[in-house]
Order: sequence, then C-alpha cells, then structure tokens
Amino acid sequence: RKEVEQDPGPFNVPEGATVAFNCTYSNSASQSFFWYRQDCRKEPKLLMSVYSSGNEDGRFTAQLNRASQYISLLIRDSKLSDSATYLCVVIYTGGFKTIFGAGTRLFVKA
Amino acid sequence: GAVVSQHPSRVICKSGTSVKIECRSLDFQATTMFWYRQFPKQSLMLMATSNEGSKATYEQGVEKDKFLINHASLTLSTLTVTSAHPEDSSFYICSARDRRSSEGNQPQHFGDGTRLSIL
Repeated sequence: RKEVEQDPGPFNVPEGATVAFNCTYSNSASQSFFWYRQDCRKEPKLLMSVYSSGNEDGRFTAQLNRASQYISLLIRDSKLSDSATYLCVVIYTGGFKTIFGAGTRLFVKA
Repeated sequence: GAVVSQHPSRVICKSGTSVKIECRSLDFQATTMFWYRQFPKQSLMLMATSNEGSKATYEQGVEKDKFLINHASLTLSTLTVTSAHPEDSSFYICSARDRRSSEGNQPQHFGDGTRLSIL
C-alpha cells in the first residue's frame, strides 16, 4: 500500500462545477499536510495548507480528518484555469520526510 | 517570498556528457534541499536529500556516483548527472525548506525545474 494515495482521475468537469478530491495517508505520525498544484511540464506550486479545522481560500477548501487519515480538497465554481494535477503532500513528524501523492488530474471544460 | 531558482531550465546534450543543475534559495536559507525526478505523466520521485555541509542522503535505487550532489552553502545545492544517457532524460526539480522551519513541518518551495534531454 502506498503511503499517500490519491485517485489519479482524470476528473472531467464543466465550468462552474464543484469538484472534490480525497487523499489518504497510512502513517498516523504524519504531522503536516498540503495541497500542491502542478501544471503540465511545470514545477509543483503550493496551493494551500490543510488543517483539522479546515482551511478556505476563495473557491478552495481543504480539510483534514485525522481519525480517518484522509485529507480533501474542494473546488467550487471551477474555472478553465483550474485544470491541472493536484498533489497531496504529507510531512512526517521527526524525520521531516515529505511524501507526495501521485496526483489527481483535473480537466475543466467550457 | 520563498523563491527557489533553478538553472538551467532546459538542457539538450549528447550521450556521455555530464550536466550540472543549480538550485538556489533566493530569499531564505535552506539547510536542506531536495532533488526530484519526474518522468512524463508520472509522479514526483525523490532522488536525494541534500544537506548543507554534509553528504547527501540518497533514496533507494538512486546511484550516488551517477547523481552527484553538492550543498556547499545555505543557499545553493547542485546536482550533476555524470555521463548522462538517454534514459536519464527527465524533468529534474529541486525544492528547499526554510531553515527557520525548526520542526520541519513547513512546505517545500520548488524551483522551476530542468528539462534534460539526452540524445
């Protein structure tokens, strides 16, 4: 089993749709959680941090469920520019080891 | 803030050539930098962790004599792909974490990546 698992997709949604991605992690010692966005042939860029209390940034909402060991990303009112691969990232306590999920591909169509 | 610069962005060279890639943290100091490789439509794969002033830590399956890493200062790490062959063609990305992140729980900031093509 992978340490961080994501549905690879692709998710094909129309503009204006709401789409949600989940990511599960296996190590309960995980400390910090992030969502990154990676455009085709580009480097990953930090999208937002994820907290148990939830984190909202405009159309994007991230949530952490420690009991079930998963994090989620919700995108409301999807834009064409949201098309990208979304990477779930988990940092472990102590060793500072960073684990990237394989990513979920999103295509937003007009 | 938290800008990481990677150079060059694109390299095309003949088989057998050694290629050096630089990764610089521009507005912060990074005790630790990371080197990743990404093949088309695949996920990021950590190659090695570069530690300032000490030897890099390589992931399993990554040849340390093939991929030489030097982290000579708190703002610069270099990756040298020695005697590169076509199978080394890939997208190489570095990242860095601010040294002020005492518990290592801050996100990494990525360079723009280097697209390496070996003919």
